[in-house]
Amino acid sequence: GEDVEQSLFLSVREGDSSVINCTYTDSSSTYLYWYKQEPGAGLQLLTYIFSNMDMKQDQRLTVLLNKKDKHLSLRIADTQTGDSAIYFCAERGPSGGYQKVTFGTGTKLQVIP
Amino acid sequence: EAQVTQNPRYLITVTGKKLTVTCSQNMNHEYMSWYRQDPGLGLRQIYYSMNVEVTDKGDVPEGYKVSRKEKRNFPLILESPSPNQTSLYFCASSNGQGRSNEKLFFGSGTQLSVL
Repeated sequence: GEDVEQSLFLSVREGDSSVINCTYTDSSSTYLYWYKQEPGAGLQLLTYIFSNMDMKQDQRLTVLLNKKDKHLSLRIADTQTGDSAIYFCAERGPSGGYQKVTFGTGTKLQVIP
Repeated sequence: EAQVTQNPRYLITVTGKKLTVTCSQNMNHEYMSWYRQDPGLGLRQIYYSMNVEVTDKGDVPEGYKVSRKEKRNFPLILESPSPNQTSLYFCASSNGQGRSNEKLFFGSGTQLSVL
C-alpha cells in the first residue's frame, strides 16, 4: 500500500529557515499536502501541490516536489515561535482511490527563541 | 462558523464498555472520515464515508463501527473497547468525492483511554 515517511523531529532557531522533508511511495499520487497540527488541536491544511508541479510558493512557505525521487519538502522562511507544531505530509490517490489520503508520521518542529 | 465538532474531547473508559464518539459537520460535506493518531505512526484511517448510507473500511477498521444515517453526522462506535484502542481520534470532512483538490477539515480530536 501507499507509504509516507517523515523524520520525527526538527529543531531550528527563530529567524532561520526550516526544511521538513517527506518521501512517499505512490508514484500515481495526484495531490500532495502539508498539514499543521498545533498542540491540542486538529490538523489544518497549510498548502498543497499538484503532482505536475515542481514548486509552489505561498508567502513564507515553499513546497518543492521531486517526482522522480518521490520527495516532497516544505521550507518555512524566517521561522517564528508560532510555527512550532507538528507538520504532516499527506498524499492523495489514485492508487488507493481518490478518496484515500495517506498521512505521514508527522515532524515535530521546535523553534528556539 | 464552518466546523467539525467532535464529542467528547476526553474519555476514559474500561475494557468492554461500549462507547460512541460523535462527529458532526455543518458544511454539507459529502465525505467524512475517522482517523486515529498514535506516536510514531501518524494518522491512520479507520473508516470513511462518501455519502449518506455509504461507508467503507480504511486501513485499521478492526474493533470499530460507523454509521452515516444523516449527511452531517458520522459517529464512531467501539462495541467492546480494548486497551490497544487508546489513542487520539480525529474526525474529518471534505466536499466532493476526491475528484479535485478538496482540503480536509478536522475536528479538535478525542483523546480516548481504555483501561
